[in-house]
Amino acid sequence: EVQLLESGGGLVQPGGSLRLSCAASGFIFSNSGMSWVRQAPGKGLEWVSAISGTGGSTYYADPMKGRFAISRDNSKNMLYLQMNSLRAEDTAIYYCAKDLKTINAFDMWGQGTMVTVSS
Amino acid sequence: QSALTQPASVSGSPGQSITISCTGTSSDVGGYDFVSWYQQHPNKAPKLMIYDVNIRPSGVSNRFSGSKSGNTASLTISGLQAEDEADYYCSSYTTSITLVFGGGTKLTVL
Repeated sequence: EVQLLESGGGLVQPGGSLRLSCAASGFIFSNSGMSWVRQAPGKGLEWVSAISGTGGSTYYADPMKGRFAISRDNSKNMLYLQMNSLRAEDTAIYYCAKDLKTINAFDMWGQGTMVTVSS
Repeated sequence: QSALTQPASVSGSPGQSITISCTGTSSDVGGYDFVSWYQQHPNKAPKLMIYDVNIRPSGVSNRFSGSKSGNTASLTISGLQAEDEADYYCSSYTTSITLVFGGGTKLTVL
């Protein structure tokens, strides 16, 4: 069974940093591109970042460029999102998603981890 | 990159068909056949319903279908059922090598 389990969310002050993790199982992790998608409370979905199966290519939405960094460890079946210079508008549920096609369609999603940026 | 435009809400009675539109530009929806649709029930993760404009993943009911004309994509749900009540989001690949979502449409089954 394909499973994605996010962790690392929590309360952080504006300007602070947080690292999210996503543990993957049930599929050949290194063969799959992965993405992060977020959803602010009561709002719609927003694509954050994607990474190729090898980790050699990374992609970011404009608001995240220079502040967020996506990475992966294929030996541990883990996906990460390092978030720096956090702002109130980064408050959201962050979902880890498996790419069916890179930056195109996501066929499996985790349950999400909540990030709250507030003083 | 601006969000794709979807109606805020649509409704229909059981058994009827409804269509949700998703309008973008030639830089996203109109430029690629890489439109996807997601269903999201309250407090749940999204579920992929359609990808590449009109392809259903395994396990998705054939009551769900997708199409595209110019800069507008559409999701049609036929034989509406109570369990279809949810939020629906479209997404598209863009020329900037990014992905953009629509604002979401709340489907109410009357």
